[in-house]
Amino acid sequence: AQSVTQLDSHVSVSEGTPVLLRCNYSSSYSPSLFWYVQHPNKGLQLLLKYTSAATLVKGINGFEAEFKKSETSFHLTKPSAHMSDAAEYFCVVSDLGGFKTIFGAGTRLFVKA
Amino acid sequence: DAGVIQSPRHEVTEMGQEVTLRCKPISGHNSLFWYRQTMMRGLELLIYFNNNVPIDDSGMPEDRFSAKMPNASFSTLKIQPSEPRDSAVYFCASSSARTSGYNEQFFGPGTRLTVL
Repeated sequence: AQSVTQLDSHVSVSEGTPVLLRCNYSSSYSPSLFWYVQHPNKGLQLLLKYTSAATLVKGINGFEAEFKKSETSFHLTKPSAHMSDAAEYFCVVSDLGGFKTIFGAGTRLFVKA
Repeated sequence: DAGVIQSPRHEVTEMGQEVTLRCKPISGHNSLFWYRQTMMRGLELLIYFNNNVPIDDSGMPEDRFSAKMPNASFSTLKIQPSEPRDSAVYFCASSSARTSGYNEQFFGPGTRLTVL
């Protein structure tokens, strides 16, 4: 069985400071992992995906995530937050076919000026 | 490409009425997904299709919900009769899923449904 846990429902940072959004997963096999972002009243957009080619994955808008099998984690980071990063972020695990997807509860990121 | 297209963007209806949500996936994509998003339950996968065939509808909450995909470029999600607890944002997503997996889904803008 697969599951995904986002450890923080809300994260607040100041503009220009680092961002860390935490995600832990559970999977009985090597998972497919994704991070999506949802801006207010918008659909979801893919930030990055883990494809087993490299444990450090770089995505759009300066975000990256590191797959750590020993810790079953896939945390999302960004060195310097921008006001436009304020949104909700979802960690997603899917089965081998990319069909059955399980979304985390989401982490809302607030960026203070 | 215009991306995934959903219509209507907003729907307000009265309890007991039939509601039909529509989705046009990205051309060439052969998998289509319907999701529901609420504050209480977050984002839930309702059903997904591969090559127009429903693969897993275990997320469909009740028999009042039904989904069809008559061809590769169109899908509907129907609720009959609708109830106030069906109020949510419904997203459609598509992907070009291959047997090797790891394919991201492209989401539409969603349909905000309000059942009074």
